[in-house]
Amino acid sequence: TQLLEQSPQFLSIQEGENLTVYCNSSSVFSSLQWYRQEPGEGPVLLVTVVTGGEVKKLKRLTFQFGDARKDSSLHITAAQPGDTGLYLCAGGGSQGNLIFGKGTKLSVKP
Amino acid sequence: SQTIHQWPATLVQPVGSPLSLECTVEGTSNPNLYWYRQAAGRGLQLLFYSVGIGQISSEVPQNLSASRPQDRQFILSSKKLLLSDSGFYLCAWSVSRTSGNTIYFGEGSWLTVV
Repeated sequence: TQLLEQSPQFLSIQEGENLTVYCNSSSVFSSLQWYRQEPGEGPVLLVTVVTGGEVKKLKRLTFQFGDARKDSSLHITAAQPGDTGLYLCAGGGSQGNLIFGKGTKLSVKP
Repeated sequence: SQTIHQWPATLVQPVGSPLSLECTVEGTSNPNLYWYRQAAGRGLQLLFYSVGIGQISSEVPQNLSASRPQDRQFILSSKKLLLSDSGFYLCAWSVSRTSGNTIYFGEGSWLTVV
């Protein structure tokens, strides 16, 4: 069974701080997506990474796919209250499905 | 561009009552369609997916069912709701069900069974 473990589960920081959240597995994934979900809304896709070692930047967000395609990280620089939300990673499973982690709940206080 | 809508956004239903959540996708043909449930503090649980009209696969046995009467319409139903059916239900679509294909979510529907 392919699983994605996200850490930390909860993160509460002050505005302006940096943070990193992780998405780990013992399985290899063909690609990995990161989503952000705000309360009461559906998850919104942030990025898809497909190549081992790939790094993608989206303004203050930096996403990295591990060389072995088993893990990924999301780094946020100078966090803002608008970054608050649930961050979900999802990997392409071996059976054509999409496997989700349980998410990291981020709270950025002004 | 493609859009996905689901409704109702919020629903409060008594135990034993029926359920119908509807989802439509615009701007694409023959999408793969999904119903997920997200319980408080837990991850996304895939309930049903469909690769075409009338083709429904169930991932988790339960008292819910899904139907796809038209190419871009996906309906989640129950004849008799249980308390444990409460949660946040998300409809989603993708271009194909190949490995790692990105899926896009609707706005979600909050269901509270009382």
